[in-house]
Amino acid sequence: QQQVKQSPQSLIVQKGGISIINCAYENTAFDYFPWYQQFPGKGPALLIAIRPDVSEKKEGRFTISFNKSAKQFSLHIMDSQPGDSATYFCAADSGGYQKVTFGTGTKLQVIP
Amino acid sequence: KAGVTQTPRYLIKTRGQQVTLSCSPISGHRSVSWYQQTPGQGLQFLFEYFSETQRNKGNFPGRFSGRQFSNSRSEMNVSTLELGDSALYLCASMDSGQRDEQFFGPGTRLTVL
Repeated sequence: QQQVKQSPQSLIVQKGGISIINCAYENTAFDYFPWYQQFPGKGPALLIAIRPDVSEKKEGRFTISFNKSAKQFSLHIMDSQPGDSATYFCAADSGGYQKVTFGTGTKLQVIP
Repeated sequence: KAGVTQTPRYLIKTRGQQVTLSCSPISGHRSVSWYQQTPGQGLQFLFEYFSETQRNKGNFPGRFSGRQFSNSRSEMNVSTLELGDSALYLCASMDSGQRDEQFFGPGTRLTVL
């Protein structure tokens, strides 16, 4: 059972545009929501994370928006660059010992 | 510090064989988790080891097993390989395992023919 639904599966954005990736979850026990970035041939790397006590977190060009009542969160990449081309995974963690649930991933391509 | 290393990087096996994958965590990290990554399913959690003990397990059949050694290095074994086991197997290490950042290795690409 997929507990974290991620969309879109793929995304093409022009350089300088805004990339938006959405995730939705069902388990209300989730209380930590990280995003990972994965380049070809590499493992995922933590990009940014948020806890549900805040509605938004920004780090540079990357922003997470969180809607607790709708059980949705999204990643916004402002001023997207070709170097941002990668696969992005949202994830959710319910605490305890390492049981993170990942979304299915979004392959982002930023074209010049 | 050196990152997480996984060996081998690529493997080709045939159905029915077994395979062992290895992961060396970041020095000082005691938690090692294993994930299976496939195009359709994304990353799926296999199991997590901390100080040589399996602390958590995902929903995979018993053909998938693992262990951790006293130096925190971990191995994952898959017996009686099936075509559907073809995937990228990722290892991630953390310091204590509770809400610490996970550091992923580059993965082992397993192809089952």
